[in-house]
Amino acid sequence: DAEITQSPRHKITETGRQVTLACHQTWNHNNMFWYRQDLGHGLRLIHYSYGVQDTNKGEVSDGYSVSRSNTEDLPLTLESAASSQTSVYFCASSAGLGTEAFFGQGTRLTVV
Amino acid sequence: KNQVEQSPQSLIILEGKNCTLQCNYTVSPFSNLRWYKQDTGRGPVSLTIMTFSENTKSNGRYTATLDADTKQSSLHITASQLSDSASYICVVRENAGNMLTFGGGTRLMVKP
Repeated sequence: DAEITQSPRHKITETGRQVTLACHQTWNHNNMFWYRQDLGHGLRLIHYSYGVQDTNKGEVSDGYSVSRSNTEDLPLTLESAASSQTSVYFCASSAGLGTEAFFGQGTRLTVV
Repeated sequence: KNQVEQSPQSLIILEGKNCTLQCNYTVSPFSNLRWYKQDTGRGPVSLTIMTFSENTKSNGRYTATLDADTKQSSLHITASQLSDSASYICVVRENAGNMLTFGGGTRLMVKP
């Protein structure tokens, strides 16, 4: 079955380190998204991509970057991890405009 | 600014009872509204989608309503089960693009 997977599921890192979270989908979806989920907030959009070589900033993009070299993957990089980036990160994908977004299982990141 | 507000923030009910979750939004122009269920430690999963012309839609024991005039939606759960314990998130898509606005969710706990 087609799916969307994130790795790792849990990560602890130190302040200042570079961290990359992986997201891989097998639906051949054009659209991919990264969100963070924090207590007291709904999911907030970090970055998104509408296709290969396309990346766009979301609502809370500072300190994060993404790259889209193929359809299946959208890795999220924290350039220099900060404690404020401790959160649960969700990757999602959708086939096109207005279609359902399917979410990965999430990555819990702790920056100490 | 587009906003989605959900109430209550949390709810505890006994197994077998019914409950109703509320969602108010200011997203404009409106495209559709989805209710997602998010189990602890998992990504959100879509329960139902409401478009502008739809007032009511059911998915098993879940019934969603939409009043596009007052910009309100509700999710009614009938004969609750322990497995209904989860967070329920209201997500509104604006018509102008592919962006989603997430509510903060309602955390439902069903007790035996």
